[in-house]
Amino acid sequence: DMKVTQMPRYLIKRMGENVLLECGQDMSHETMYWYRQDPGLGLQLIYISYDVDSNSEGDIPKGYRVSRKKREHFSLILDSAKTNQTSVYFCASRDTSNTEVFFGKGTRLTVV
Amino acid sequence: QQKVQQSPESLTVSEGAMASLNCTFSDGTSDNFRWYRQHSGKGLEVLVSIFSDGEKEEGRFTAHLNRASLHVSLHIREPQPSDSAVYLCAMRTQVVGQLTFGSGTRLQVYA
Repeated sequence: DMKVTQMPRYLIKRMGENVLLECGQDMSHETMYWYRQDPGLGLQLIYISYDVDSNSEGDIPKGYRVSRKKREHFSLILDSAKTNQTSVYFCASRDTSNTEVFFGKGTRLTVV
Repeated sequence: QQKVQQSPESLTVSEGAMASLNCTFSDGTSDNFRWYRQHSGKGLEVLVSIFSDGEKEEGRFTAHLNRASLHVSLHIREPQPSDSAVYLCAMRTQVVGQLTFGSGTRLQVYA
């Protein structure tokens, strides 16, 4: 069963704390993505990873960094979280020989 | 930067009536357009993925693409209350596999 798994699903953090969002996929997809979704803005691309240690900024990378040490895992890191980073974060993966993109169920992050 | 505009922002229809959602994009260089459905608090479910001008049907969902008018639409035949959700259109951009999303249309179907 092909899937993208995000952990945790819900997270509350204080401003200034570090945040780690994890994403795993069991399809050996090369390309993975992190998006955030905010009301009225749709999904915005934060980072793309083309494979292990091959990452590229998306449209809104500021305040975020990523880590991809294994093809199956792609982490999003917020160093010193800010209240405007409260959002729903989606991870996705794609096989470059296929057009289909698979999304995780999202992580709802609240920064207070 | 590629832009995707969706309309309407919200739509209410009765069960069984046709629901039509629209999406316009900033240029026609994308090779793929798709519609997603997102139930409240859930992830994204792809409904239709279309590559060529014309029509693509997947069950009760039909997408129409017209690159010349920079427009893609989604028509939902015989919508049901369970179709109540946010519908997102997306286009695949020049960057490998990158999807650019519209802001969504909230559809409410009442019995």
